[in-house]
Amino acid sequence: SAVISQKPSRDICQRGTSLTIQCQVDSQVTMMFWYRQQPGQSLTLIATANQGSEATYESGFVIDKFPISRPNLTFSTLTVSNMSPEDSSIYLCSVRQGDNEQFFGPGTRLTVL
Amino acid sequence: GESVGLHLPTLSVQEGDNSIINCAYSNSASDYFIWYKQESGKGPQFIIDIRSNMDKRQGQRVTVLLNKTVKHLSLQIAATQPGDSAVYFCAEKAGSSYKLIFGSGTRLLVRP
Repeated sequence: SAVISQKPSRDICQRGTSLTIQCQVDSQVTMMFWYRQQPGQSLTLIATANQGSEATYESGFVIDKFPISRPNLTFSTLTVSNMSPEDSSIYLCSVRQGDNEQFFGPGTRLTVL
Repeated sequence: GESVGLHLPTLSVQEGDNSIINCAYSNSASDYFIWYKQESGKGPQFIIDIRSNMDKRQGQRVTVLLNKTVKHLSLQIAATQPGDSAVYFCAEKAGSSYKLIFGSGTRLLVRP
């Protein structure tokens, strides 16, 4: 499976600020995804990061709040904008390999004060 | 519909015993399922998957069973070890959709 890294691994931020999370994959992948995992809960898909075009957002998530970049087939960024304490979560990057398998990065643990 | 739980059920087992973790999925069109293990402070780790044309698949110490009639999935872990302690999530996918829908998760605690 692909090796996926994320930066930063964790951060504590002040409300109203923005944080950009980076996801790097060790091989080229067509499909990359960003998930949110709120404390003690399951994973929710934020968006699919498309190379060469705008990301595809799921219901309840908008580009102004979570802008995504996908400049090439091994890298993507997710920005959490104008943060509030409700944005405190783990943000996870994942990639699809093979027919269906999805593999996850280690996550970025965000705390907003 | 989507299943995102607010409560995390816990399964406590004795080291060496077998564990069975259950998952009820909601979409009868789902045809692909994955089990993930998430240890504290880490991202979900792929354990095993199964397609809907199968009812059983075995890996190393793990077996996944699929009952499409009642939309139920289970993960069996043989000879549970302390390193198996984690939260386990099932995920489902339907047809050509790329989207994984995650279950609410089960916490497995292994008693020494």
